[in-house]
This record gives sequence, C-alpha cells and structure tokens, in this order.
Amino acid sequence: DTGVSQDPRHKITKRGQNVTFRCDPISEHNRLYWYRQTLGQGPEFLTYFQNEAQLEKSRLLSDRFSAERPKGSFSTLEIQRTEQGDSAMYLCASRALSLASGANVLTFGAGSRLTVL
Amino acid sequence: RKEVEQDPGPFNVPEGATVAFNCTYSNSASQSFFWYRQDCRKEPKLLMSVYSSGNEDGRFTAQLNRASQYISLLIRDSKLSDSATYLCVVNLAGNQFYFGTGTSLTVIP
Repeated sequence: DTGVSQDPRHKITKRGQNVTFRCDPISEHNRLYWYRQTLGQGPEFLTYFQNEAQLEKSRLLSDRFSAERPKGSFSTLEIQRTEQGDSAMYLCASRALSLASGANVLTFGAGSRLTVL
Repeated sequence: RKEVEQDPGPFNVPEGATVAFNCTYSNSASQSFFWYRQDCRKEPKLLMSVYSSGNEDGRFTAQLNRASQYISLLIRDSKLSDSATYLCVVNLAGNQFYFGTGTSLTVIP
C-alpha cells in the first residue's frame, strides 16, 4: 500500500448526470475525509468517516452529494444531477488512529477532477 | 465566517529572501495547527505542525499565537523549489481539519 488512491483521476460529464468517485485509503488508517477544491481556493471540507461511521456530513454542499464507506475501507462520493458549479477537484485524505502512527497528519490522494459540461 | 483566513498573495520574492505568511482562525477551541504545501496540480502535503512554543525545521519556522488566534510561517533563504501554495490548516475537535485559501509563493531567480 503506497498511499491514498482515487479513481477516476478525471471525469467529464454532462450536466444532469450522476458521478461517483472512489477513494482507497492507506490500509491501516481508520479515518477518511472528502474535500472539494476549486481553482485558487484551499480544500473545502465535505465529510469524514471513522471506520464505517459518517461522523460529520453537515458540510456536504447539497442533498445531491452523498458519501459512503460501507465496510470501513474504501469510500465513495456520489454527486447526483451534476451542475456546472460542481466542476472541481475532489480530494480524499486518510488519517491514522494513533499519534504514534501520525494521527495528526492527513495524507491526500491525487484527487479526482470533475468537469461538468 | 470562514474558519481560517489567509492572504492569498501572490508573493513574488527573489532567491535568498525571507518571506512570512500569516493566517488567522476564528474558533478559539481549535486544537492543533499545521502548514501544508501544495504544488501546482498536486495534492496538499504536510509541511510542518505548529506548536504553541513555536518550532523550526531547517529554513522554516512556525509560530502560534493563541491569544490573537493567528499562525505564521517564516521561510528563510528562499529557494526556487519553495515556489508553491502554502495552506494554513486548523484542527477542530480532534477530527475536523479546515484549510485556508492558501498563499501563493513564487521564488524568482
């Protein structure tokens, strides 16, 4: 396991379509985060999981956004009925459990870039 | 109000210069603080944590002022390879990490 993997790296879709992004965290990390980043802005927190429990989702941008982590390993972020304003980089990060393992460090994947036409 | 505010810059400095970035945070309950670096079209990576007593890592010095709720990063003897966006990050309640807008630095030969 060399890091956080995200798939797909790029997605172009038409407005109104649904898209799903997948994140595979570092295997021993039990916490997983989703962020959105637009040009010239810092990553914007969306949601996070501890194991399979989604502990914060109030920052999801609308009810069109949903995330799951059914078995506490990989996670998916789905955007329904995409809009042009959803075009952004969607970043996933994972975090270890213990301080000894670097619990204060977020390790990011390379991101999934979404373009909505 | 945003949790973290940063001056987006850009900062354009010559090689060898010293440059400082500041950021402010709004929630006094914030627990831990970090600087991340993000290269163009890459993911953010941890540069350094920020401790209450201040800490140094080579040419980089981070400071925290809890009373005024600001964090700073000082880069001495700037190198071309320091050109990047520097993101201020605040950790709330142990699990939520909030990023600033980022400050863009370009080091000029």
